[in-house]
Amino acid sequence: EPEVTQTPSHQVTQMGQEVILRCVPISNHLYFYWYRQILGQKVEFLVSFYNNEISEKSEIFDDQFSVERPDGSNFTLKIRSTKLEDSAMYFCASSEAYSPLHFGNGTRLTVT
Amino acid sequence: SQKIEQNSEALNIQEGKTATLTCNYTNYSPAYLQWYRQDPGRGPVFLLLIRENEKEKRKERLKVTFDTTLKQSLFHITASQPADSATYLCALDRGNNNDMRFGAGTRLTVKP
Repeated sequence: EPEVTQTPSHQVTQMGQEVILRCVPISNHLYFYWYRQILGQKVEFLVSFYNNEISEKSEIFDDQFSVERPDGSNFTLKIRSTKLEDSAMYFCASSEAYSPLHFGNGTRLTVT
Repeated sequence: SQKIEQNSEALNIQEGKTATLTCNYTNYSPAYLQWYRQDPGRGPVFLLLIRENEKEKRKERLKVTFDTTLKQSLFHITASQPADSATYLCALDRGNNNDMRFGAGTRLTVKP
């Protein structure tokens, strides 16, 4: 069964550094998402992406965040200048229209 | 403000019993509601989707109900097994987009 893959599984970075989290969505899906989950808390929506543009973003997704689909297969989340509070598990998901989300297994980001 | 509340943070039941989890929402008009399972350190995995015009949906030992008047969904696992132990997440669409918003989840433990 096709799956969403995320790399790396764990990323450690220093405060103020830029990080790029990578995702390969399921190939025939058209909708892409990033969610985050701070340890012990709920899964929070960050951004959705369709037709090469952001369709919705949450208040968490400020100017430090950006997303890109640089080619036909990858979907990336960039955090320009990381803060301690950005430490979380970041999940990528993809879907067809109005269909269940398929999640990857996440990238654990630790900002020191 | 919009809220999705899952009735309890944790639920412990004996193997073989039926687990019932509750999801209540306010200030949403979802076209559909979804339930996901999340295991520690993993991404959520889709279980069931129920649309606003459906009262009940079943899949094997799982049953979901959706009451748009009460703004509530119930999720049942019958003949529960220790392997059902996980966190179960309720998710709603926002009516105008494909992205989903998640409740905080209920951690189910099924004891042998």
